[in-house]
Amino acid sequence: GQQLNQSPQSMFIQEGEDVSMNCTSSSIFNTWLWYKQDPGEGPVLLIALYKAGELTSNGRLTAQFGITRKDSFLNISASIPSDVGIYFCAGQGIQGAQKLVFGQGTRLTINP
Amino acid sequence: ETGVTQSPTHLIKTRGQQVTLRCSSQSGHNTVSWYQQALGQGPQFIFQYYREEENGRGNFPPRFSGLQFPNYSSELNVNALELDDSALYLCASSLPGPGGQFFGPGTRLTVL
Repeated sequence: GQQLNQSPQSMFIQEGEDVSMNCTSSSIFNTWLWYKQDPGEGPVLLIALYKAGELTSNGRLTAQFGITRKDSFLNISASIPSDVGIYFCAGQGIQGAQKLVFGQGTRLTINP
Repeated sequence: ETGVTQSPTHLIKTRGQQVTLRCSSQSGHNTVSWYQQALGQGPQFIFQYYREEENGRGNFPPRFSGLQFPNYSSELNVNALELDDSALYLCASSLPGPGGQFFGPGTRLTVL
């Protein structure tokens, strides 16, 4: 099935470091979403972006909707142990069911 | 406000059997989407229900079917189970239109 290209696939960082991950697509999306998934849980919505160029923050998280509408990035500042998990980007079209198309995920590991 | 709930949490079936998974949407949400998440992958869209009708379908065969009830809860049925159907099945509820979809904890299906 269709997927977005998300990078990096995994990150190993020290507590307190900043984190950056991004997502690209060959298709245009009208909404970009970022989710975090912990083991054995469903994805939890972190940030939703609705407009090209939009920059939105949620605490230590900041995400941007790329101006071409084909990409998005997520930054986490001053990482803490509870940031560990898998981060997924998702693009959403405007037609029909407005299904979410997900990236492969970025696995974040933090060394204390 | 009650979040999305799914049952059962885990299920083991054998090849050729049939299975029914259940989902209760978040309070106030009338749209339910189902996703399949294979190990190490992002979720893949199966289909969406709105007003008790299928409102879009991903690249899944007809043996994957669903229902939505007047209280917006939903079922996912899979007939003639195959080994590759082993995955985490996620239900997400939302309001119609663009925006975040809110996921339940998932049902882990193992097909032997």
